[in-house]
Amino acid sequence: EDKVVQSPLSLVVHEGDTVTLNCSYEVTNFRSLLWYKQEKKAPTFLFMLTSSGIEKKSGRLSSILDKKELFSILNITATQTGDSAVYLCAVKETSGSRLTFGEGTQLTVNP
Amino acid sequence: GAGVSQTPSNKVTEKGKYVELRCDPISGHTALYWYRQSLGQGPEFLIYFQGTGAADDSGLPNDRFFAVRPEGSVSTLKIQRTERGDSAVYLCASSFSGLNTGELFFGEGSRLTVL
Repeated sequence: EDKVVQSPLSLVVHEGDTVTLNCSYEVTNFRSLLWYKQEKKAPTFLFMLTSSGIEKKSGRLSSILDKKELFSILNITATQTGDSAVYLCAVKETSGSRLTFGEGTQLTVNP
Repeated sequence: GAGVSQTPSNKVTEKGKYVELRCDPISGHTALYWYRQSLGQGPEFLIYFQGTGAADDSGLPNDRFFAVRPEGSVSTLKIQRTERGDSAVYLCASSFSGLNTGELFFGEGSRLTVL
């Protein structure tokens, strides 16, 4: 059974701090790893990673995948209060279309 | 609307009752997913439709749960003889063609409370 573990489960920082969120996984036939942001209700897509060592970047957010060590990190620089959300990591196998999600990291950015 | 629409947004029911949750995906999206999210947990896969057919229903927890998508657009998740453990947010998501690009578009969910 696929397994996704995120850490930390919660994190409180001050505006301007840089944070690193972790995601480790166990997947039988790995295809891709995805990051989502869930502010209140609907998760919204951030990144999809399929290859090791290639950084994906969008503004202050960036992510990278290590397929040898089976983990990914999501970095957020110069955090803002609007970054407060649950960040979800999910993996997809080569067959099928389901995503297996981790528990999420609750990030709180205080002014 | 432009996004995935789910109704009702909130549903309170009594143990043993039958409920239906509706999902209206983004127009043109052939793939539709149902996930269930309990408090403090990540979404848990229930079922995936490609067009009208259920391509993968292995996440449905038991035979009290059933979902349909008769015309390949709107989907209904049906729960019979509800139990308190069914209380959760039920999320629907859609995509063009089953996650080839990775982007699932989620609705805001239907929060089900079973008393």
